[in-house]
Amino acid sequence: ETGVTQSPTHLIKTRGQQVTLRCSSQSGHNTVSWYQQALGQGPQFIFQYYREEENGRGNFPPRFSGLQFPNYSSELNVNALELDDSALYLCASSSDRARVFYMEQFFGPGTRLTVL
Amino acid sequence: AQTVTQSQPEMSVQEAETVTLSCTYDTSESDYYLFWYKQPPSRQMILVIRQEAYKQQNATENRFSVNFQKAAKSFSLKISDSQLGDAAMYFCAYRSPIGYGQNFVFGPGTRLSVLP
Repeated sequence: ETGVTQSPTHLIKTRGQQVTLRCSSQSGHNTVSWYQQALGQGPQFIFQYYREEENGRGNFPPRFSGLQFPNYSSELNVNALELDDSALYLCASSSDRARVFYMEQFFGPGTRLTVL
Repeated sequence: AQTVTQSQPEMSVQEAETVTLSCTYDTSESDYYLFWYKQPPSRQMILVIRQEAYKQQNATENRFSVNFQKAAKSFSLKISDSQLGDAAMYFCAYRSPIGYGQNFVFGPGTRLSVLP
């Protein structure tokens, strides 16, 4: 069973640029959630994708957008990068076939984004 | 909206001793799930233990156990026989079972150091 993977591991961008982060869900999982974890803080929910549609969103502006593909992998796109976007971005996958829908989330190692 | 509070930014414990990490939460829901996640340095977040609110019995996973006090909205984690590998950030998380798009609400975390 393949776990959740994310790419790239690290990324450095400058203010105003755009970035795309990628996530491959665990085998058999059809739901992907994205979180932003600022240094020294707990993860904050950005949004969730279920069967290729956005299925819930946290308190993040529209310049944070995403996609989910037919193979359930996902992308997080951030436009017009700001210094405060510097953080660890975590992807987590889950399955509606689990005993309790979305009760279990399995996290990837994260992408460390630095905005200069 | 639900909130999760961890009042201990840092804790330390001697190897082989017992330590308790505190977590309180605020919710108006009667049914929900609570979790403790562990995030080792530069490594991905992994589930330590979970508790369903409708279950009165406290969850236990080997050396990890919880003290769930629903009326007090308290969910502490006890680590027995602490090991060096237990050193990590520990996050308490809340999840509502209602509807889609509901995701984890994390606390700010407690950094646990294990002293040899």
